Amino acid sequence: QSILTQPPSVSGAPGQRVTISCSGSSSNIGAGNDVHWYQQVPGAAPKLVIQGNNNRPSEVPDRFSGSKSGTSASLEISGLQAEDEADFYCQSYDNSLSAYVFGGGTKVTVL
Amino acid sequence: QGQLTQSGAEMKKPGASVKVSCKASGYTFTNHGVNWVRQAPGHGLEWMGFISAYNGDRNYAETFQGRVTMTTDTSTDTAYMELRSLRSDDTAVYYCAKVDSPTNSLDVWGQGTLVTVSS
Repeated sequence: QSILTQPPSVSGAPGQRVTISCSGSSSNIGAGNDVHWYQQVPGAAPKLVIQGNNNRPSEVPDRFSGSKSGTSASLEISGLQAEDEADFYCQSYDNSLSAYVFGGGTKVTVL
Repeated sequence: QGQLTQSGAEMKKPGASVKVSCKASGYTFTNHGVNWVRQAPGHGLEWMGFISAYNGDRNYAETFQGRVTMTTDTSTDTAYMELRSLRSDDTAVYYCAKVDSPTNSLDVWGQGTLVTVSS
């Protein structure tokens, strides 16, 4: 049972927009801790795609955007492409656990 | 931004210990912490702990308290993670990841080390 809750899967056709939610609590996201997002393709290490809630590393396409409100955060992928098919994980810090925490992961499928 | 290069795959028997190395290059090692994260086959990411390469401060996940030791060697810019009393459910890919200081995100990851625990 992950501390941060994500939907197991989302899907969309090429060119469409998909949104992945990440629900936390008052001890992690709601405490003002930043949310970060990672993309993982099968057989590879995770890759940071959004840091600090809504900031993209320079090498990440601007199709990826993040937001945060209250105890939740979201990752949006617009203009979905075949290469976006991967698992995505949200991550924050939990003050009560004194621990980094991850969501359970969401599999993005491009139809 | 840097790079992290991990040691190779390991096969261990139950009850044994494993020590995984993670060599940093392309950035100032002592300016950033290192997190260790593992991923069991078909499962998600599990945080194991953090070590500061600056002063050696550590914070281990409660799940691994008493079984894990994280260290750094600043003379070789290498971080280490040792896990003891291995069980079959410790079979996983183990990753090291560099902490981006301003945001505390994990901005550089090692390639992963597969540890297989089997009798």
